[in-house]
Amino acid sequence: AQSVTQLDSQVPVFEEAPVELRCNYSSSVSVYLFWYVQYPNQGLQLLLKYLSGSTLVESINGFEAEFNKSQTSFHLRKPSVHISDTAEYFCAADDAGNMLTFGGGTRLMVKP
Amino acid sequence: SQTIHQWPATLVQPVGSPLSLECTVEGTSNPNLYWYRQAAGRGLQLLFYSVGIGQISSEVPQNLSASRPQDRQFILSSKKLLLSDSGFYLCACRRVPKREQFFGPGTRLTVL
Repeated sequence: AQSVTQLDSQVPVFEEAPVELRCNYSSSVSVYLFWYVQYPNQGLQLLLKYLSGSTLVESINGFEAEFNKSQTSFHLRKPSVHISDTAEYFCAADDAGNMLTFGGGTRLMVKP
Repeated sequence: SQTIHQWPATLVQPVGSPLSLECTVEGTSNPNLYWYRQAAGRGLQLLFYSVGIGQISSEVPQNLSASRPQDRQFILSSKKLLLSDSGFYLCACRRVPKREQFFGPGTRLTVL
């Protein structure tokens, strides 16, 4: 069965600083990877996805993630964070079944 | 694109009372549908998923049940609520053969 590990439960960072949220998944023949963002008392929003092709994927609000097969990682990065990026971030993996496997989540706290 | 509605948005129920949460989807047909729960400060737990009308798969044995009476309607029920049923309930939809899931706004359930 697929497993997803988000190593950091909380990441505090100052505004305009860079940030990396780490995600590792268990190896699988084929895997599709996702990052979701959740603001307080809201549902999850799809931030970006890796299905195939280029290993670097980007979102419209400046986040990017790189699929690294050899390290089984899909870390999320942003070169300069804003206060509005404060949220919970979930990494998820799909091994071509019907279900997503989610990591435990990382709370990003951006300080002024 | 699809839109997911969840009703009610918030609910406070006494222990031992019944429960019915509704999820409806617009803008797609024959979706896979999912119920997740988030307990306070914890990640997502998949409760049920459905690949079609009347087809329900349960991921965690508990006092909850799910039904899919129509293609775009997914209902989560309980005959007798427990304190441990408190949490944030999320409905999600997947438009097969696409891989990503999209989430509704959630229902906050508090059992007293």
